[in-house]
Amino acid sequence: AQSVTQLDSHVSVSEGTPVLLRCNYSSSYSPSLFWYVQHPNKGLQLLLKYTSAATLVKGINGFEAEFKKSETSFHLTKPSAHMSDAAEYFCVVSPAGSARQLTFGSGTQLTVLP
Amino acid sequence: KAGVTQTPRYLIKTRGQQVTLSCSPISGHRSVSWYQQTPGQGLQFLFEYFSETQRNKGNFPGRFSGRQFSNSRSEMNVSTLELGDSALYLCASSPAVTTDTQYFGPGTRLTVL
Repeated sequence: AQSVTQLDSHVSVSEGTPVLLRCNYSSSYSPSLFWYVQHPNKGLQLLLKYTSAATLVKGINGFEAEFKKSETSFHLTKPSAHMSDAAEYFCVVSPAGSARQLTFGSGTQLTVLP
Repeated sequence: KAGVTQTPRYLIKTRGQQVTLSCSPISGHRSVSWYQQTPGQGLQFLFEYFSETQRNKGNFPGRFSGRQFSNSRSEMNVSTLELGDSALYLCASSPAVTTDTQYFGPGTRLTVL
């Protein structure tokens, strides 16, 4: 079985300050991990994915995430927030090497203040 | 390359009716998955199709069904609609079931009155 816990339901940051969205996972095997972003009334867009090639994963729009097996974490960061980053972010786990049956976290709503 | 398309984008139905939603995957993608998104339950996996065969099914009642055609397009059907079926239904495609990235469409917003 696999599960994902996003530790914060809401995060607010000021424009230009760092972003940290926290995610812990549970999986009985080596998982694939993803971050997706959802803007209002839009579908999900893939930000980045971890598939065991490298523990630090770089994604689109300046986001990156670090896979820490010992902490079972996959936190999403960005050095400097932009107003356009305001959206809901989902941490997602799936069986390694498979797109089957994604398990989603509950989401973190990111607000960026001017 | 065009993305995943879903039709219709918005739908209003009444309790007891049935509804069919359509999804066209990215060209060349053969795997299609469906998800339900609600404020209370979040994003939940409905089912996955590959080569016209259902490969996986989530924990939903039998009122929820789907199918995939030979051109990889997929439809999902919900019969005897309930108020709780109001949700955003998302379709995602990937090249194959062993590929680890799914690409999502914009969703169909279903409202049940």
